[in-house]
Amino acid sequence: AQSVAQPEDQVNVAEGNPLTVKCTYSVSGNPYLFWYVQYPNRGLQFLLKYITGDNLVKGSYGFEAEFNKSQTSFHLKKPSALVSDSALYFCAVRYLSGAGSYQLTFGKGTKLSVIP
Amino acid sequence: GAGVSQSPSNKVTEKGKDVELRCDPISGHTALYWYRQSLGQGLEFLIYFQGNSAPDKSGLPSDRFSAERTGGSVSTLTIQRTQQEDSAVYLCASSPRRDNRETQYFGPGTRLLVL
Repeated sequence: AQSVAQPEDQVNVAEGNPLTVKCTYSVSGNPYLFWYVQYPNRGLQFLLKYITGDNLVKGSYGFEAEFNKSQTSFHLKKPSALVSDSALYFCAVRYLSGAGSYQLTFGKGTKLSVIP
Repeated sequence: GAGVSQSPSNKVTEKGKDVELRCDPISGHTALYWYRQSLGQGLEFLIYFQGNSAPDKSGLPSDRFSAERTGGSVSTLTIQRTQQEDSAVYLCASSPRRDNRETQYFGPGTRLLVL
């Protein structure tokens, strides 16, 4: 069965410092991994995805994520945090269900707070 | 271009009433998904449409929940005889086709509160 773990419920970082939001996954077959961000009272916004190729994936708003197959991780990173990055971040893995749909399984989410 | 839209944005209803939630996917997207986001359960898959058919309904929590899609576009999620545990944010997503490499794009959600 597929699963995603985000071990930190909350991450606090000072503005201008690098940030990391952690994600590990478990899936049979090739992993297709996604990061989404959710601002208060908003839907999920797509940030980036790993399908194949380079292990370092670049996405929106200066975010990037590093795929590590041996550690089954897909951590989200940004070199310099902004206050506006404060939001809820979800890691997800896409897989083919027995009924034939490409569902997303999400982690529980990590609340990122960037302190001015 | 226009993204996924959902209506209403908020819905307050009394226990036992029926509610309908609407999703307008991105034009041309053949795959449509419904998810539920609640405090206790996080984000859960409910149902998947490919065109007008729903080959995967495995996430629907009970037979009070149903969904349909018409014209390969608009989808409606119906909850009958609502219960307090149905209170959650219902999110709709669409993607261009049935492919695990495709990104799912989400709407803003409908926040349902059952009193």
